Amino acid sequence: GAGVSQSPSNKVTEKGKDVELRCDPISGHTALYWYRQSLGQGLEFLIYFQGNSAPDKSGLPSDRFSAERTGGSVSTLTIQRTQQEDSAVYLCASSLGTGPGANVLTFGAGSRLTVL
Amino acid sequence: TQLLEQSPQFLSIQEGENLTVYCNSSSVFSSLQWYRQEPGEGPVLLVTVVTGGEVKKLKRLTFQFGDARKDSSLHITAAQPGDTGLYLCAGGASGGSNYKLTFGKGTLLTVNP
Repeated sequence: GAGVSQSPSNKVTEKGKDVELRCDPISGHTALYWYRQSLGQGLEFLIYFQGNSAPDKSGLPSDRFSAERTGGSVSTLTIQRTQQEDSAVYLCASSLGTGPGANVLTFGAGSRLTVL
Repeated sequence: TQLLEQSPQFLSIQEGENLTVYCNSSSVFSSLQWYRQEPGEGPVLLVTVVTGGEVKKLKRLTFQFGDARKDSSLHITAAQPGDTGLYLCAGGASGGSNYKLTFGKGTLLTVNP
């Protein structure tokens, strides 16, 4: 597609429920990133996928968070047993390459998660 | 852990005024990017600087990367209401994890007509 598409745009859930957030990157972009933006905070790195390489999961805040990327394209971020502190905007981005000056990220509009 | 401090956190100015936003760290970054984010949207990349001392201009916006690659500034000349938004700086990690960006908390700019 023309841009990075994320769904749902808004999700309200109850504490303890599981949620899935989807990201459809720009066609041909091999790198895919998930970031979290909490109120008053900067973007926090969560996970990075590059081609068929093992993902960098170092930013996932707990084992309740997981992500996968199927067929090198669409990615799903799953949060199990949601907590109120998980409330944030989850942003997905993709890029054609990586490295200094080459990681030109295109972000989606984000999925706003509210945990009641 | 690499941190980026942005200042000021909030800035409200009148149309036509000049402003500078700062991004500082004690860490060295492989690159420094500036983004602008509008409500309900994802950040949009404005510029990437990779060389210490580099200066880039984008119309009324001037970006500078510090000589030591630890800090950066964004200067806007004759601000317009359309410049309103959240400005974020992001530093690329050094070495093999240069894909991993560390973001500042942002500067919320409001330009009043």
